[in-house]
Amino acid sequence: EAGVTQSPTHLIKTRGQQATLRCSPISGHTSVYWYQQALGLGLQFLLWYDEGEERNRGNFPPRFSGRQFPNYSSELNVNALELEDSALYLCASSLGLNFYNEQFFGPGTRLTVL
Amino acid sequence: GIQVEQSPPDLILQEGANSTLRCNFSDSVNNLQWFHQNPWGQLINLFYIPSGTKQNGRLSATTVATERYSLLYISSSQTTDSGVYFCAVDLLEGAQKLVFGQGTRLTINP
Repeated sequence: EAGVTQSPTHLIKTRGQQATLRCSPISGHTSVYWYQQALGLGLQFLLWYDEGEERNRGNFPPRFSGRQFPNYSSELNVNALELEDSALYLCASSLGLNFYNEQFFGPGTRLTVL
Repeated sequence: GIQVEQSPPDLILQEGANSTLRCNFSDSVNNLQWFHQNPWGQLINLFYIPSGTKQNGRLSATTVATERYSLLYISSSQTTDSGVYFCAVDLLEGAQKLVFGQGTRLTINP
């Protein structure tokens, strides 16, 4: 069974540009989560999508946004990139709403903002 | 918000030694997971353990929810066990977001 996949592996952007990160969940999972791991700040929750809806959001500015597609894959968009957005972005999936279940993580996208 | 504290922050051991990593949390939780972050950054699931005890090979974990702590035991450590171990919890009320501790960096020397 395939795990959570993310693309691209690495992404290099300049300040002010937009970045788009992609995630495909484990087959059968409807919930997708996004987390940021920035140097010195630890792992922080960004967004949770289930059945195409944003269900919860972490303490991040509105320029961090995303969506979930009918096939449950998800995109994370970061607009007006700032240097401090450089981080490892991890996507996770689980069985979804009303299931208090394990989250499984993908390999991550490492975003570098120059 | 909920606080998750892991100890010790760093642990250096010789191959073959046993270790205990601790995770304290400040509120009732519905979900608790232990992860090992590999050198490339991926989080590898070790245990989903909101309560009770589980074992998987040389690793075992115990969560005492009423006392708000969890322990990860690693026996007969190998160099491949090196890396950062994270504990993460989800609030009982179900925000379905994991709150991570700061991690324990484990170094196993040959």
